[in-house]
Amino acid sequence: GQNIDQPTEMTATEGAIVQINCTYQTSGFNGLFWYQQHAGEAPTFLSYNVLDGLEEKGRFSSFLSRSKGYSYLLLKELQMKDSASYLCAAMDSNYQLIWGAGTKLIIKP
Amino acid sequence: GAVVSQHPSRVICKSGTSVKIECRSLDFQATTMFWYRQFPKQSLMLMATSNEGSKATYEQGVEKDKFLINHASLTLSTLTVTSAHPEDSSFYICSARAPLTGDAGELFFGEGSRLTVL
Repeated sequence: GQNIDQPTEMTATEGAIVQINCTYQTSGFNGLFWYQQHAGEAPTFLSYNVLDGLEEKGRFSSFLSRSKGYSYLLLKELQMKDSASYLCAAMDSNYQLIWGAGTKLIIKP
Repeated sequence: GAVVSQHPSRVICKSGTSVKIECRSLDFQATTMFWYRQFPKQSLMLMATSNEGSKATYEQGVEKDKFLINHASLTLSTLTVTSAHPEDSSFYICSARAPLTGDAGELFFGEGSRLTVL
């Protein structure tokens, strides 16, 4: 079956670095997405990886290892506004997104 | 990036009435749009895939007659919740996929519509 696993909740300190892991199993693979979702709002796109390696975009970076079915989202210089849920989603061979349940990130001062 | 607009953002209705939610892609043509439902503290649940000019493809367990989807143009899809009941209260979100160039098929989401059925 198709499955996405990511931690339910993480806590980090303002100014620090946090890594949110995601493992996936899909029928075929056409890329891995990370989305940020604040409570009561729709998700917003953060990153897309289809090749192995690290993609850096400002304070956020995303890593993919296709052979391991593994990705992580790295957030640096954490700010209070980064408190949100982070959704990992893998695109299968039919270009459908399989969603993880999301990781709630709590930032403490 | 591309913009997807969803309306209304909040709606309260009486049990037994029908509610229509619109999803528009404002600056690109979307042959495919997706409708999701999200319960509190849970992930997105894909309800159906809306294809322009053809019938929607519903996920298993989603009632076609209850959640009517119409994708009449390349920029508009609508979801109608018919004969709404309190258990239909939820956050409904639409998304559209940008053309598979540049944005790598990125999904853009509407703002979401919070439905409360009394």
